[in-house]
Amino acid sequence: GAVVSQHPSRVICKSGTSVKIECRSLDFQATTMFWYRQFPKKSLMLMATSNEGSKATYEQGVEKDKFLINHASLTLSTLTVTSAHPEDSSFYICSARDLAGQETQYFGPGTRLLVL
Amino acid sequence: DAKTTQPTSMDCAEGRAANLPCNHSTISGNEYVYWYRQIHSQGPQYIIHGLKNNETNEMASLIITEDRKSSTLILPHATLRDTAVYYCIVRTRGQGGKLIFGQGTELSVKP
Repeated sequence: GAVVSQHPSRVICKSGTSVKIECRSLDFQATTMFWYRQFPKKSLMLMATSNEGSKATYEQGVEKDKFLINHASLTLSTLTVTSAHPEDSSFYICSARDLAGQETQYFGPGTRLLVL
Repeated sequence: DAKTTQPTSMDCAEGRAANLPCNHSTISGNEYVYWYRQIHSQGPQYIIHGLKNNETNEMASLIITEDRKSSTLILPHATLRDTAVYYCIVRTRGQGGKLIFGQGTELSVKP
């Protein structure tokens, strides 16, 4: 299947700082990327959908000013957690949809964020 | 997007077939059935998808009932590395479709 990468794989930061997570589709172009978060022993929760060159669409209850999403190219989307707090500690996973194929959605390996 | 119902957990003996059921009784005509799995602390892995015909690939087979209200994912010869949470999701194709994850089935393959 197609490859999606994320960087960093894990990050520890102090409360109040901002953290940027990158998501790249390595071998296909993705006009749509998705960001999920996952708490321990829970399922994935969709945070937002981002289309290349336009503003992200956030799911209900997700603060757009706290979770800034930029999708500047067909292979790169970034999620910035602004003014992070301990409750933002989670597993963040991005996903990209391959429109050239059969619209299958591929997932990155995830980024584990720990806010102290 | 329609919701799905899956058993919380299942066990399977190594080398045997693992049959994972999924109910999607409210599925609509333009929704596809997708299966993903998530091994601990990793991102979900795409397995297979289908609309109404049975599908097979190198990983698994997908059997969809004629009324499309349920489906079964079959791993023909389960190995220990198939231990994971398996998610059955229905989704429309096109830009508006989103993968919304339920709780999935935790499959344990035992030696």
